[in-house]
Amino acid sequence: GAVVSQHPSRVICKSGTSVKIECRSLDFQATTMFWYRQFPKQSLMLMATSNEGSKATYEQGVEKDKFLINHASLTLSTLTVTSAHPEDSSFYICSARDSGGAYNEQFFGPGTRLTVL
Amino acid sequence: EDQVTQSPEALRLQEGESSSLNCSYTVSGLRGLFWYRQDPGKGPEFLFTLYSAGEEKEKERLKATLTKKESFLHITAPKPEDSATYLCAVQGSSNTGKLIFGQGTTLQVKP
Repeated sequence: GAVVSQHPSRVICKSGTSVKIECRSLDFQATTMFWYRQFPKQSLMLMATSNEGSKATYEQGVEKDKFLINHASLTLSTLTVTSAHPEDSSFYICSARDSGGAYNEQFFGPGTRLTVL
Repeated sequence: EDQVTQSPEALRLQEGESSSLNCSYTVSGLRGLFWYRQDPGKGPEFLFTLYSAGEEKEKERLKATLTKKESFLHITAPKPEDSATYLCAVQGSSNTGKLIFGQGTTLQVKP
């Protein structure tokens, strides 16, 4: 149980294009999902909190118009990197919290490696 | 401000050499302290959640303990496959489920 998937696992795109990353909770419902960014040899940096049926909450310094988040169902959240540039190249990881669980564990997806040329 | 500090930054052990990783934290109203394992190029894998001082949890060669100021991840007789980065995170009562992560400890176990 508690499996979170991400798609795609790797994506290479040209500068200026938009890229959509999907995060799915496969065997539980998640009213809240989180998006993180991780640079090489660094820890996870929270970008935003995705809430089902409402607007995402962005961390300070994260451009909400550049990183569009949609949480349309209890099992799916998407992150769209708009007009991507080389500095957006990174490892993006989502996590989901089990809405029906008795505890507060967050379960992470396998990550998406974005490379912008 | 909630804060998590992990030490050491890196740890090299010989196979079978037991050791401990430290996670010091300051948080307003601890709702949970979490340990994750992360392999290169992969997402973090959930290991343990601890909720109150004095609590302990075990899984195979790993044992996590919690006090009011810190948590330890004890590794008993480690094997090369235990090599990974171990991340500690806290969730406080002042935030909406957000996890505050430490910088991680990268463990290398040599055969």
